[in-house]
Amino acid sequence: AQTVTQSQPEMSVQEAETVTLSCTYDTSESDYYLFWYKQPPSRQMILVIRQEAYKQQNATENRFSVNFQKAAKSFSLKISDSQLGDAAMYFCAYRTYTGTASKLTFGTGTRLQVTL
Amino acid sequence: DGGITQSPKYLFRKEGQNVTLSCEQNLNHDAMYWYRQDPGQGLRLIYYSQIVNDFQKGDIAEGYSVSREKKESFPLTVTSAQKNPTAFYLCASSILTSMVDEQFFGPGTRLTVL
Repeated sequence: AQTVTQSQPEMSVQEAETVTLSCTYDTSESDYYLFWYKQPPSRQMILVIRQEAYKQQNATENRFSVNFQKAAKSFSLKISDSQLGDAAMYFCAYRTYTGTASKLTFGTGTRLQVTL
Repeated sequence: DGGITQSPKYLFRKEGQNVTLSCEQNLNHDAMYWYRQDPGQGLRLIYYSQIVNDFQKGDIAEGYSVSREKKESFPLTVTSAQKNPTAFYLCASSILTSMVDEQFFGPGTRLTVL
């Protein structure tokens, strides 16, 4: 079974600075997807960024980028130029590549605080 | 506006009662999912459905039941057999023709057992 580990329960960053959230996972599969979801105080889950395991290039979405190390099974999220609106819980998630519906396996989350 | 709606936002239940949480989507998505979220934990899958009139158990299906009579609706019933039902419940949907099968989430329902 796949597992996803987020070892940082809480992180703090100053506005305009850069922060990196860590995520490691365990799988024996070669094709899969990885995601970072953001859950603000409203508790709505919002997709931040995704990475296909067969792509070597790291995904980037505006101020959000990932460092995907397939051999090390590591998938960290970097937030640049942090803003107050980035304060939220961040969840790393894994999904098997399949043509049918399948579950997302989530980590336990990292709470990010953004300070002035 | 296309999206996923869940109702109610807050739900209170007396111990021993069944309760049904609503999830509706107008995204024309094939698959729908129910997750449970507890403090300090990530989301855990309860049930999912790929097609009308068919659904599969997730990791924590005991004490829950679902139905999928219409493509846009996937209600979840929390039965009295669920030992610890107080939690935040999230519904999601995805389009299976997409390789990524990205899941979109509703706003959630907070269930409290009194």
